[in-house]
Amino acid sequence: GESVGLHLPTLSVQEGDNSIINCAYSNSASDYFIWYKQESGKGPQFIIDIRSNMDKRQGQRVTVLLNKTVKHLSLQIAATQPGDSAVYFCAENRRSGGSNYKLTFGKGTLLTVNP
Amino acid sequence: DAMVIQNPRYQVTQFGKPVTLSCSQTLNHNVMYWYQQKSSQAPKLLFHYYDKDFNNEADTPDNFQSRRPNTSFCFLDIRSPGLGDAAMYLCATSRDRRPAELFFGSGTQLSVL
Repeated sequence: GESVGLHLPTLSVQEGDNSIINCAYSNSASDYFIWYKQESGKGPQFIIDIRSNMDKRQGQRVTVLLNKTVKHLSLQIAATQPGDSAVYFCAENRRSGGSNYKLTFGKGTLLTVNP
Repeated sequence: DAMVIQNPRYQVTQFGKPVTLSCSQTLNHNVMYWYQQKSSQAPKLLFHYYDKDFNNEADTPDNFQSRRPNTSFCFLDIRSPGLGDAAMYLCATSRDRRPAELFFGSGTQLSVL
């Protein structure tokens, strides 16, 4: 079964508020973790990644936190905008055999931003 | 702009009738992937090519095949589509075998009648 999953399937926030999307994982061997955003009718788009030896990484308006003790990953979006409305997937990257790596997506969270 | 292009955007086929989906990339990336995404689900990896080296996922049905004639193009062949194969098919690329940032196309939505 999947080793990456999300706590909540939907999240609704007001424009301007901060959003927090959570993800649990079960495989300690993952090299790093990635967040993708998928807008309706489009392919997933890379947002930010974090290596397994880090606990925090910041990007433009986004922060990813990694808690290896409880195997938990979160994506924080500051000052959420209507354009942030999308499905957000966490994904993990780990070796799948030989020199191959596999990116496995977890279940998505639908973020809806209300004006 | 460099990108991943999938054609067609929508594809309708009949039950059991072979269908081919196309993907091209101008990024000159070594690795190309095919993912299947059903409604409200996460993308599921079917297989990938590292250059000409084909890597099939263990649970990908034999009904799904792929070809990569050159760096730029990759095809997904569904030999005998069933109703359960209706899905969005996403092509993606990455620079190397250790993907973090995958570059996705917009997908082909396949319907099976």
